[in-house]
Amino acid sequence: DGGITQSPKYLFRKEGQNVTLSCEQNLNHDAMYWYRQDPGQGLRLIYYSQIVNDFQKGDIAEGYSVSREKKESFPLTVTSAQKNPTAFYLCASSQGVNQPQHFGDGTRLSIL
Amino acid sequence: EDQVTQSPEALRLQEGESSSLNCSYTVSGLRGLFWYRQDPGKGPEFLFTLYSAGEEKEKERLKATLTKKESFLHITAPKPEDSATYLCAALPNTGGFKTIFGAGTRLFVKA
Repeated sequence: DGGITQSPKYLFRKEGQNVTLSCEQNLNHDAMYWYRQDPGQGLRLIYYSQIVNDFQKGDIAEGYSVSREKKESFPLTVTSAQKNPTAFYLCASSQGVNQPQHFGDGTRLSIL
Repeated sequence: EDQVTQSPEALRLQEGESSSLNCSYTVSGLRGLFWYRQDPGKGPEFLFTLYSAGEEKEKERLKATLTKKESFLHITAPKPEDSATYLCAALPNTGGFKTIFGAGTRLFVKA
């Protein structure tokens, strides 16, 4: 079945540590997204990529970095510069920017 | 500023009690309005896309409608398995890639 796979499901970060969240899709979609979801708030866009080797910052990119070396993969690194990283992180993809997004089942990141 | 507001924040229904969820949007033109369902600890699941005022889409007990200022998700005779958070999202007609998401309505359906 085609879909988006996020791993790990749960992740714990120590002070000063960088952590990387994985996102892989087999839908052959060009566009991929990373969102952060906090209780009582709408999804907020961290980064967007429309094509391999190209990506744009969203509303809350500070303290995060991404790469897009392959069409299928869009990993997100939460750096030590992100002072409030505890959240539910969602990866999505779409066939085009006007099309609905397909989401993975998220990674919940917590501070140790 | 582009904004999407959903109401109510939470809705409790008895099984079979029909109701509607509201999504008000203020965006620079509308390219598309999306509805998603999200279960606890899971990612959102796509339900509907609406592109123009007057458009309606249906799926089982759900019907989505669109006007120039808001969208409604009507739930007819809900069942406990319809309990979830329903998210609304608007894609502005600014040529960009950013979809604006509302905070969602948490629906609880009691048997």
